Amino acid sequence: QVQLQESGPGLLKPSQTLSLTCTVSGGSISSGGYYWSWIRQHPGKGLEWIGYMHYSGSTDYNPSLKSRVTISIDTSKNQFSLTLSSVTAADTAVYYCARTSYGGNFIFDYWGQGTLVTVSS
Amino acid sequence: DIQMTQSPSSLSASVGDRVTITCRASQSISSFLNWYQQKPGKAPNLLIYAASSLQSGVPSRFSGSGSGTDFTLTISSLQPEDFATYYCQQTYKTFLTFGGGTRVDIK
Repeated sequence: QVQLQESGPGLLKPSQTLSLTCTVSGGSISSGGYYWSWIRQHPGKGLEWIGYMHYSGSTDYNPSLKSRVTISIDTSKNQFSLTLSSVTAADTAVYYCARTSYGGNFIFDYWGQGTLVTVSS
Repeated sequence: DIQMTQSPSSLSASVGDRVTITCRASQSISSFLNWYQQKPGKAPNLLIYAASSLQSGVPSRFSGSGSGTDFTLTISSLQPEDFATYYCQQTYKTFLTFGGGTRVDIK
């Protein structure tokens, strides 16, 4: 059974850089056919896809966040990470990592439990 | 980007009711549409992929239909554990986008 677990600071100040890591267990992050995504949810709101990465290095990002976002993969640790620079209060959200299956259709089939990141001075 | 519009935004229903949630895309997305269920404080859970394919382990009372721009999620007989928020998601373009959600409450 694939499991994902987010980790990282829960409180940031404006202008700082958000860094989160997702540790994958029960499967290899280097398995073909899977992308690895970050998704966020503002308090009481809907879901927003941030971006994904394939272990081969292919990435794609939400255009509205692209200038501030980097997703990377560490295959040796079976982890992938999110970096979001210059955060503001608008970046306060629950951040989820998710395995993204691709067979012609991008499907978020396994999710982490989510981690709340609050941006406040 | 492709806008996904769900309706209604919320509904109240009783156990045993048949519930229908609709999702409309701002342009044709063929069958590149998934549905998720989210309970409070939990991550979303995949229910339906490719518009009508039931994810393994999901009860058969859930079904999906539609193609092009109009899609439907149906719960044939609402169970207590189905009270949650439901989201559609398009994967036609890689700027992946979700609908705003439909909250299903107990009447």
